[in-house]
Amino acid sequence: NAGVTQTPKFQVLKTGQSMTLQCAQDMNHNSMYWYRQDPGMGLRLIYYSASEGTTDKGEVPNGYNVSRLNKREFSLRLESAAPSQTSVYFCATSDRDWYGYTFGSGTRLTVV
Amino acid sequence: KQEVTQIPAALSVPEGENLVLNCSFTDSAIYNLQWFRQDPGKGLTSLLLIQSSQREQTSGRLNASLDKSSGRSTLYIAASQPGDSATYLCAGNTGKLIFGQGTTLQVKP
Repeated sequence: NAGVTQTPKFQVLKTGQSMTLQCAQDMNHNSMYWYRQDPGMGLRLIYYSASEGTTDKGEVPNGYNVSRLNKREFSLRLESAAPSQTSVYFCATSDRDWYGYTFGSGTRLTVV
Repeated sequence: KQEVTQIPAALSVPEGENLVLNCSFTDSAIYNLQWFRQDPGKGLTSLLLIQSSQREQTSGRLNASLDKSSGRSTLYIAASQPGDSATYLCAGNTGKLIFGQGTTLQVKP
């Protein structure tokens, strides 16, 4: 029972390069989320998908795009990476408003 | 806009002490509040989930309380151990999970 799986676990990009962070869940949850975690800033919501076919901006969406490919998968794309996007990225899932959230193990991204 | 604050930012205690971590939130219209543990370089592990209708939840040596009217939650850790050393995060759910900055706990042997 994997829960929430994020790939890759580590990545180094050069400024201007693009990449997609993948998240897959086997919990059959409707809602999926992308957060970033930075020292001194805590965890901040980038984008979320309340259900398959819908996506919405969170607190810090600039520079990112998302795709809810199906109920299981929610990807985060950086079109032109910037050093300010160096961070640890977490994917999370939940089902109903009263459910708790389950997090993946994170992707540590460095943009040089 | 929901804001979540955790006090203190850091805490160092000797092994065996009982301790309290504090969390406050500005929007009382929360569905629930969740406490997480994060070890250095690792992901988030859920510790306790308190629904808005509940006053407290317990798991082993951990007890979390919730007072919606005052916008406060506390995490009580009994008989602390060195293995409890980690960062503890609280998060309020108003349809999206909003996090506090965390309390970094060090339990000294």
